[in-house]
Amino acid sequence: NAGVMQNPRHLVRRRGQEARLRCSPMKGHSHVYWYRQLPEEGLKFMVYLQKENIIDESGMPKERFSAEFPKEGPSILRIQQVVRGDSAAYFCASSPPQETQYFGPGTRLLVL
Amino acid sequence: GENVEQHPSTLSVQEGDSAVIKCTYSDSASNYFPWYKQELGKRPQLIIDIRSNVGEKKDQRIAVTLNKTAKHFSLHITETQPEDSAVYFCADSNDYKLSFGAGTTVTVRA
Repeated sequence: NAGVMQNPRHLVRRRGQEARLRCSPMKGHSHVYWYRQLPEEGLKFMVYLQKENIIDESGMPKERFSAEFPKEGPSILRIQQVVRGDSAAYFCASSPPQETQYFGPGTRLLVL
Repeated sequence: GENVEQHPSTLSVQEGDSAVIKCTYSDSASNYFPWYKQELGKRPQLIIDIRSNVGEKKDQRIAVTLNKTAKHFSLHITETQPEDSAVYFCADSNDYKLSFGAGTTVTVRA
């Protein structure tokens, strides 16, 4: 059973470009969560999604950030017009309903 | 919960000694407390978790205790080994949102 998959593992963008981060949950998991980790800090909750539904996006910045989990395909975290402060590791986790969350390997975003 | 405090921020122990990390939380509704281990550049990996209806849980060299009245929980690693060196994060949750502590960098000296 493959674990949570994320790609790309590393992403470099210039200021003003768009970043798209993808997450494929573990087989059988219908819940996806995105977290952001700044250097030498803990993980901060961003958004919780189920298929075709955003359940809680209270941790998402109000502008430039969006997330989706379509009926088919991976969950996408999209950051428009990236700024240097967006540089961080973005982790996706998945779980069955109300169960343990398992994390993917993360995408390390660097904004130049 | 929103606020989880974790102490200490760094911990250096001699191989074979025990390591203890403590966390406090503020949300009375929190009912799930996982611990994750993160090695440099890697994903956080669940090492043990405890739910609010249990006071203690053990898995080989790792144990977690929970004091709901005082709103704190602790991770205990016995007989530490060099491969235990990593950053450890506690977290709490009352439904789905994990709130993480700031992490403890554990170094096991050979």
